[in-house]
This record gives sequence, C-alpha cells and structure tokens, in this order.
Amino acid sequence: EIVMTQSPATLSVSPGDKAILSCRASQNVSSKLAWYQQKRGQAPRLLISAASTRATGIPTNFSASGSGTEFTLTIGSLQPGDFALYYCQQYQYWPPTFGQGTEVEI
Amino acid sequence: EVQLMESGGGLVQPGGSLRLSCAASGFALSGYWMTWVRQAPGKGLEWVANIKQDGSAKYYVGSVRGRFTISRDNAKNSLFLQMNSLRAEDTALYYCVRDVSGWYGLWGRGTLVTVSS
Repeated sequence: EIVMTQSPATLSVSPGDKAILSCRASQNVSSKLAWYQQKRGQAPRLLISAASTRATGIPTNFSASGSGTEFTLTIGSLQPGDFALYYCQQYQYWPPTFGQGTEVEI
Repeated sequence: EVQLMESGGGLVQPGGSLRLSCAASGFALSGYWMTWVRQAPGKGLEWVANIKQDGSAKYYVGSVRGRFTISRDNAKNSLFLQMNSLRAEDTALYYCVRDVSGWYGLWGRGTLVTVSS
C-alpha cells in the first residue's frame, strides 16, 4: 500500500498569507495525485486532479505541482473560507490512499 | 442538480449488519465507477470499496473484504453497501463518491455508522 505523508500537520497562517502544503508518496505515483479541501462538518471537495489540474469552479488562487513522489499545493492569498483541512490522494496504485491531512488554521 | 445522497446509517451492535444506500440525481450512475470512502470520527479518509459501471468488477480494502459487499442498481440510479459482522473500528461517516479515473469529483454528505454495544 502506498503511504502518503503530508506536512506540516498544522499550518498556522494569517489571511492574505501564502500557504504551501506538501505531500510525499512512498513510491512513484507519476501524476496520479489529487487534492481535496474539507471544511468542518462538510464532505471533502475536489480541488486538484492529475497533480496540477484545477477542478471546475476552483479559483486560480489554488495551484499545485509535482510528480513522482513530491507534490505541493499552494494557496496564493488565504481567504477566510480557505481555513480548512487539506488531503492529498494517490490513484496510481490500488488501493487509492489518502494522506493524513494538513490543517490550515489562523 | 447533480448530487449524491446517502442513507441507512445508524447505531448497531458489534456483529450486526447495516445496508447503506446512495441515491444519485442529476446524472446517470451507469456512466461511472462508484466508490465508498469512510472517515472515522476525528480521523482521515479511507477508501473502502468501488464498483465498475456495470457491476462486473468490485474491489475492497483488506479490512472489510469478506464482510462488506458493494452493489448497484443502475435502473434506480442507486449504489449500496451491505455491511455485515460490523466491528467498533467500522464506526465512521460513510461517503458515496463518484469516481472519475481514480479521483473523486462528487461526494455525498455522508451517513454515520456507529458500532457500539
């Protein structure tokens, strides 16, 4: 099973700051990597698929990059609604696996 | 509106059974692989099972294989998860998810399963 490791576990930032979240895969997952945002009490929402492709309706403030084992999600200027949990997920290998999440907090 | 709506969760004793349902609206379920993902209270996301468009292929995470059965009824635009021999560690919010080549663009709101005596 591929282990996805996200860092940091918690990111303390201020509105307007830039946030950089990392995700590392235990094996090469090529570009089969997705990012999700989960707000408290809500279902996850897809942000990014194929490592860098924004989902429909996701603002350009969210960008992502990486391939192989190292991936990054960047939130360019944090808005109040961006404070949430963020998960990465690989879908190169079965079973699909998620990272443990990064909480972006004020 | 395109959406997924889960139902069937509840409180069950260890060893008991539950059947979760997921009703799709606004799109044809038959066009997609479908997946169940769960989230234990305060924990991260765990892939549970998925099923091919026509039901001919099904896959399970090891911890539920032999106890859970995923199925679908495309005519009723519905997905199901039969859960038997439930354990405390199965306690979680269960999400029905539309699968597009391995990533999940549409999630339901989830249904809570609590396994406790």
